[in-house]
Amino acid sequence: AQSVTQPDIHITVSEGASLELRCNYSYGATPYLFWYVQSPGQGLQLLLKYFSGDTLVQGIKGFEAEFKRSQSSFNLRKPSVHWSDAAEYFCAVGQTGANNLFFGTGTRLTVIP
Amino acid sequence: NAGVTQTPKFQVLKTGQSMTLQCAQDMNHNSMYWYRQDPGMGLRLIYYSASEGTTDKGEVPNGYNVSRLNKREFSLRLESAAPSQTSVYFCASSTAGTDTDTQYFGPGTRLTVL
Repeated sequence: AQSVTQPDIHITVSEGASLELRCNYSYGATPYLFWYVQSPGQGLQLLLKYFSGDTLVQGIKGFEAEFKRSQSSFNLRKPSVHWSDAAEYFCAVGQTGANNLFFGTGTRLTVIP
Repeated sequence: NAGVTQTPKFQVLKTGQSMTLQCAQDMNHNSMYWYRQDPGMGLRLIYYSASEGTTDKGEVPNGYNVSRLNKREFSLRLESAAPSQTSVYFCASSTAGTDTDTQYFGPGTRLTVL
């Protein structure tokens, strides 16, 4: 069965520090992988996606993620966090034509000034 | 270009009341989706419509019905609301079946059932 695990429920980092949010997936076929961000009271905004090719993908707002097939992981990184990055982050996995995305339970990021 | 819009933004219902959540997209997407978001559970798919004229159940369809009115609009109906349906509901759309199969989300409807 397909599943997405985000092992960290809540992460706190200082502004300017680096960030890594973990995502592990279980999926039988070649996955399509996504990271979304949700600010309080808002909808989900796409940060980046991986379909194929280069396993290091760049997204908006200075985020990047690396697909590691051997570890079934798609971790999100940012070298220097800004206070405006405080939000909830969701990892999702899907497959073209499958008409469904499976979401992780989310990681809430708090940024300390 | 508004993307995906949802109405209403907030709603409070009493148990047993009915209501319809509206969703529209202006991106000419073929596929549309309804999710619910509950604390600690991420998003779960309620129903989806792969194309105009078709609808299919997702992970948690019980207590809901949907209508794909046309290519732009996809509504979600609660016939007899229950407290367990208190949640935040998100509509999304995508060009499923292509290399750019990415779902775009609306701002959500926060529903409370008393």
